[in-house]
Amino acid sequence: DIQMTQSPSSLSASVGDRVTITCRASQSISSYLNWYQQKPGKAPKLLIYAASSLQSGVPSRFSGSGSGTDFTLTISSLQPEDFATYYCQQSYSTPRTFGQGTRLEIK
Amino acid sequence: QVTLRESGPALVKPTQTLTLTCTFSGFSLSTSGMCVSWIRQPPGKALEWLARIDWDDDKYYSTSLKTRLTISKDTSKNQVVLTMTNMDPVDTATYYCAQSSQLEVWFDPWGQGTLVTVSS
Repeated sequence: DIQMTQSPSSLSASVGDRVTITCRASQSISSYLNWYQQKPGKAPKLLIYAASSLQSGVPSRFSGSGSGTDFTLTISSLQPEDFATYYCQQSYSTPRTFGQGTRLEIK
Repeated sequence: QVTLRESGPALVKPTQTLTLTCTFSGFSLSTSGMCVSWIRQPPGKALEWLARIDWDDDKYYSTSLKTRLTISKDTSKNQVVLTMTNMDPVDTATYYCAQSSQLEVWFDPWGQGTLVTVSS
């Protein structure tokens, strides 16, 4: 199975900050990397697919980059509604696997 | 508009078998390329992919749970069923189903999830 490792596990930031979350795969997954946002008590929501494609309806302050084994999710200017937990997920091979999550908290 | 909804028991006893149903609308699992997966999340923990069934009835399972899982579909009812045997308290989690496809290999949308508690 491909292991996905996110860093950091948690992050405190302020409204307006630029934030970057990293995801590393245990082997090359090309660009088969997706990012999800999850708020408490809610199902995950797709933000970014294929490493850098913005899902329809997702604000442009979210962006993704990377290929191979190293990927990043960037939020250019944090808004109050962005405080949530973020997960990466590989779709290169089955079984699909998720990162352990990054909890983004208000400073 | 694609929607999915999970249903099943809220409480099961240890050693029992869990049966969950995902009822969906807005697409057909008889359409080439369509897939439905089950994913779970223990309270306060990360997401864990469990199983997937494809339009052609191909089935895929979590490496660690494959001996306990069975996924099936009823195309006429627009349903996917997941069974998990020998339930244990560590299986307490919110269980989600989600759509993907062979071209769009990401999970979108997701159902709202159903919380299953394993306790005697």
